[in-house]
Amino acid sequence: GIQVEQSPPDLILQEGANSTLRCNFSDSVNNLQWFHQNPWGQLINLFYIPSGTKQNGRLSATTVATERYSLLYISSSQTTDSGVYFCAVERGLYNFNKFYFGSGTKLNVKP
Amino acid sequence: GAVVSQHPSRVICKSGTSVKIECRSLDFQATTMFWYRQFPKQSLMLMATSNEGSKATYEQGVEKDKFLINHASLTLSTLTVTSAHPEDSSFYICSARPTGNWENTIYFGEGSWLTVV
Repeated sequence: GIQVEQSPPDLILQEGANSTLRCNFSDSVNNLQWFHQNPWGQLINLFYIPSGTKQNGRLSATTVATERYSLLYISSSQTTDSGVYFCAVERGLYNFNKFYFGSGTKLNVKP
Repeated sequence: GAVVSQHPSRVICKSGTSVKIECRSLDFQATTMFWYRQFPKQSLMLMATSNEGSKATYEQGVEKDKFLINHASLTLSTLTVTSAHPEDSSFYICSARPTGNWENTIYFGEGSWLTVV
């Protein structure tokens, strides 16, 4: 299957700081989503971004499909941003409907 | 936004018994639902893809006779852990893809914590 690597695995920030999370994938994809898993386990959709750039408040994401990576930017971080951020990709054509998850980036924002 | 509800959120069962977890799409129809398992501090592992009206597709290494999946309607998929053992204790989470969703986004349920004693 497709390999999805996320970096860094752990990140500690002071409240108000900015950060960039990276997701590399090993093959072409037709779908890429970023999720935030809160401390209670709930996975929240952040972005559907197979290519291009999107912004939603303090968060933005960019996917460069031709170079097989995606970046998630968090600006002016808040303690509520803490949790694990996952990148998930869906492969095109014959493996449609199968999402592959990265190992996640665990973010801890300190007050 | 699309809402996926999972029930129960927490369940404790005795070893050897079976447990059923439900995954419902509340405000959309889902031809396809997915079941994942997550171990502590690890990523999500896809167990199976559930398709309405047909048999589920299981990932390699997942026992289909142990993890029974039924997708009887466009809004409900169930995962039954049969003859549960302590090693089946885990966080199980489902996701659903809205039918006809041009973005192909998936939405997750709240997850179910299973503890087998």
